[in-house]
Amino acid sequence: AQKITQTQPGMFVQEKEAVTLDCTYDTSDPSYGLFWYKQPSSGEMIFLIYQGSYDQQNATEGRYSLNFQKARKSANLVISASQLGDSAMYFCAMRDLPNNAGNMLTFGGGTRLMVKP
Amino acid sequence: DSGVTQTPKHLITATGQRVTLRCSPRSGDLSVYWYQQSLDQGLQFLIQYYNGEERAKGNILERFSAQQFPDLHSELNLSSLELGDSALYFCASSVGGDRGEQFFGPGTRLTVL
Repeated sequence: AQKITQTQPGMFVQEKEAVTLDCTYDTSDPSYGLFWYKQPSSGEMIFLIYQGSYDQQNATEGRYSLNFQKARKSANLVISASQLGDSAMYFCAMRDLPNNAGNMLTFGGGTRLMVKP
Repeated sequence: DSGVTQTPKHLITATGQRVTLRCSPRSGDLSVYWYQQSLDQGLQFLIQYYNGEERAKGNILERFSAQQFPDLHSELNLSSLELGDSALYFCASSVGGDRGEQFFGPGTRLTVL
């Protein structure tokens, strides 16, 4: 069964507007971590934000915030005031290992965000 | 710049050949991870090393092997290459072995002809 689902293959957003990228996950482990990465056309993977399953508050990093709804098993990324440089692929990932050994990440299929001027 | 370095940036080789990809983690990071990104499989975890020891194993083929050296750099060896091995191979590193953010290198693009 797929553990990380990103249902939006592609999205457009107008420059300076906010955009939400969806991510749902599936795990039976009470301890897990959720990550978002950005992959520009140049190919590198850039870490954006992290949310732990026991964190009481939603994570924020500059213009990025994570809308974490534990009961719904969703961890949506919100980008405020979009910029042209935000155009990229965005990946949601989860760290989830029942025996707690290692730190492997499982990635979703990604969402391609295109910012319109 | 994440601080993780990978060489080479591009690699073109033929089927049946063997190649070695190299990774140097960020200063202070003890864990190194290898991931494969292909069009059909997406991003997949291959293997993790922590302070020289194998820590976790994912969907790594038997034709692939990796190791982490005492100076903490890591090498991923791919042998008996097939067309389907063409992909972007990422190395990532983190401080700890069981949690924490992973910082990715720029990747090595492997093309098997």
